[in-house]
Amino acid sequence: AQSVTQLDSQVPVFEEAPVELRCNYSSSVSVYLFWYVQYPNQGLQLLLKYLSGSTLVKGINGFEAEFNKSQTSFHLRKPSVHISDTAEYFCALANSNSGYALNFGKGTSLLVTP
Amino acid sequence: DTAVSQTPKYLVTQMGNDKSIKCEQNLGHDTMYWYKQDSKKFLKIMFSYNNKELIINETVPNRFSPKSPDKAHLNLHINSLELGDSAVYFCASSLLPGDTQYFGPGTRLTVL
Repeated sequence: AQSVTQLDSQVPVFEEAPVELRCNYSSSVSVYLFWYVQYPNQGLQLLLKYLSGSTLVKGINGFEAEFNKSQTSFHLRKPSVHISDTAEYFCALANSNSGYALNFGKGTSLLVTP
Repeated sequence: DTAVSQTPKYLVTQMGNDKSIKCEQNLGHDTMYWYKQDSKKFLKIMFSYNNKELIINETVPNRFSPKSPDKAHLNLHINSLELGDSAVYFCASSLLPGDTQYFGPGTRLTVL
């Protein structure tokens, strides 16, 4: 079985501060990893993904994530957040066991305040 | 130019009714999915189709029946709606299983 754990349900942060959203996964086979963002009352938008190759992945809106196989983690980072980054962030994995459907974590609500 | 579209966006109905949600993608993808997002925002896969064939069918009540008339469409029909079916339903598509999935805007279903 595979699973995704997002360790923080809510992360409050001040504008222009750095942020890290944590994600750990469990899988018996190799995985693809994704971060999606959901703005209020909208669908999900892909921020970045790790399929293979370089473990540091850069995405849209200044976000990046690092795949760490030994720690089974895929934490999301941004050096300086904006008010507009306030949203729900989902970490997800896909593998052959799941037919490559996305297995999501429970989400982290990022709240950026002035 | 919407890549993945869903209709309707909102659906309010009574318990016991039958309703359908439609999904269309114009990306030329072969694989389509239905996900359910509950009131706590947890997302869970329901079904997946590849080339019009069902490849994933999670533990979903038989009242839910997906139908894929062609590769660009994946509709979700729900019989005998229950209060617990209230949720946001998202359609998604990818070129192949394992590729990036592109999501529709969601359909908010409210069962009264």
